[in-house]
Amino acid sequence: DTGVSQNPRHKITKRGQNVTFRCDPISEHNRLYWYRQTLGQGPEFLTYFQNEAQLEKSRLLSDRFSAERPKGSFSTLEIQRTEQGDSAMYLCASSPLQGTSGTSPKDTQYFGPGTRLTVL
Amino acid sequence: LAKTTQPISMDSYEGQEVNITCSHNNIATNDYITWYQQFPSQGPRFIIQGYKTKVTNEVASLFIPADRKSSTLSLPRVSLSDTAVYYCLVGDMGYSSASKIIFGSGTRLSIRP
Repeated sequence: DTGVSQNPRHKITKRGQNVTFRCDPISEHNRLYWYRQTLGQGPEFLTYFQNEAQLEKSRLLSDRFSAERPKGSFSTLEIQRTEQGDSAMYLCASSPLQGTSGTSPKDTQYFGPGTRLTVL
Repeated sequence: LAKTTQPISMDSYEGQEVNITCSHNNIATNDYITWYQQFPSQGPRFIIQGYKTKVTNEVASLFIPADRKSSTLSLPRVSLSDTAVYYCLVGDMGYSSASKIIFGSGTRLSIRP
């Protein structure tokens, strides 16, 4: 399977603990995105990387959240001192830089299955 | 910021054609319209993308009027497996801020036998 993978798929933790999630994008994709999704809502943008550079961070990404993509391949999202409000599905997506021709889709994002975080 | 408005939910029956309309009154010149499908406990999946007029692929068609202030996703002959949430996104897809691409709450489509 050459799609986007995320680990772990589920994580249960106690409030105050640190958690780290990993995302492995499609190998030739330059861009990697992190989203958070709560029940009944669409994904909310958190941050994105182009290769190893973190180009944007949402205001949703508090100081307790940090993301890295050290070699421009896989990425990690760490949440420090978790709070119950952090409970959500964390989605990773990757995309090529842009469509290769005028008619191919622009920046189509390919999503992983997500990591469901429950903070007790 | 090109915000989109979609119906919260829709119901239909197997074999019917389903049309989901999305309003995006302040779409910008460089913006594309993209639709994603999401099943429970899975990440969204790209369905179709267009800029103007009509686009068709193996799973759906996308109709965009000349003023581009709305778009309609058309699913022909739906089946039970088309039950999902459908998101309409508007943005220039990679040429500017990724944070400006907003999923919204989507349309929850339920297909009945």
